[in-house]
Amino acid sequence: ETGVTQTPRHLVMGMTNKKSLKCEQHLGHNAMYWYKQSAKKPLELMFVYNFKEQTENNSVPSRFSPECPNSSHLFLHLHTLQPEDSALYLCASSQDRGLAHYEQYFGPGTRLTVT
Amino acid sequence: DQQVKQNSPSLSVQEGRISILNCDYTNSMFDYFLWYKKYPAEGPTFLISISSIKDKNEDGRFTVFLNKSAKHLSLHIVPSQPGDSAVYFCAASAGYGGSQGNLIFGKGTKLSVKP
Repeated sequence: ETGVTQTPRHLVMGMTNKKSLKCEQHLGHNAMYWYKQSAKKPLELMFVYNFKEQTENNSVPSRFSPECPNSSHLFLHLHTLQPEDSALYLCASSQDRGLAHYEQYFGPGTRLTVT
Repeated sequence: DQQVKQNSPSLSVQEGRISILNCDYTNSMFDYFLWYKKYPAEGPTFLISISSIKDKNEDGRFTVFLNKSAKHLSLHIVPSQPGDSAVYFCAASAGYGGSQGNLIFGKGTKLSVKP
């Protein structure tokens, strides 16, 4: 595998379910990000991890719970979601956060539908 | 309120002609700007960037122009090719690291290049 991978690619879950999204980067980067892209809206930053430490939580509801066990893996644990949480969830990585100018590399995303 | 605006949701161009995608921003603290390209079912991929100390950056068929006084940047693709058909996102950041270094994205412009 190369680049940034995300699994699953598609997920349908009920509002009472618990599921997890997985992201893995094979680029040797130290910073990882979760973004949400809703229909007709810009990408919204959710969480930032730098060297496994969470450095940003962009006022995300607690029903979204990130986990970063190491610099290569990032998870987004989902529980009791709402239909309005249906969106494309994108993971990204960059070399680190020391310089904002490092380009971010994105995974293909997980298309989440909450029923 | 959106800090990065791409006011044209879509653009259609004939193969071989120039494509011009526009982006406006409101935050005068932004000092670095990026363009990403996204194909269906794939994550955004970095295309080209420009620092606020420059007014032009060129990479092959792609040129980004920055007009700081107008808070406007544009991406020129010459000549346009059918493979350029994708959604193009403009993004901006302010400063190094921390929250200011987060990328703020526009909603995207869908470019269609017709043979």
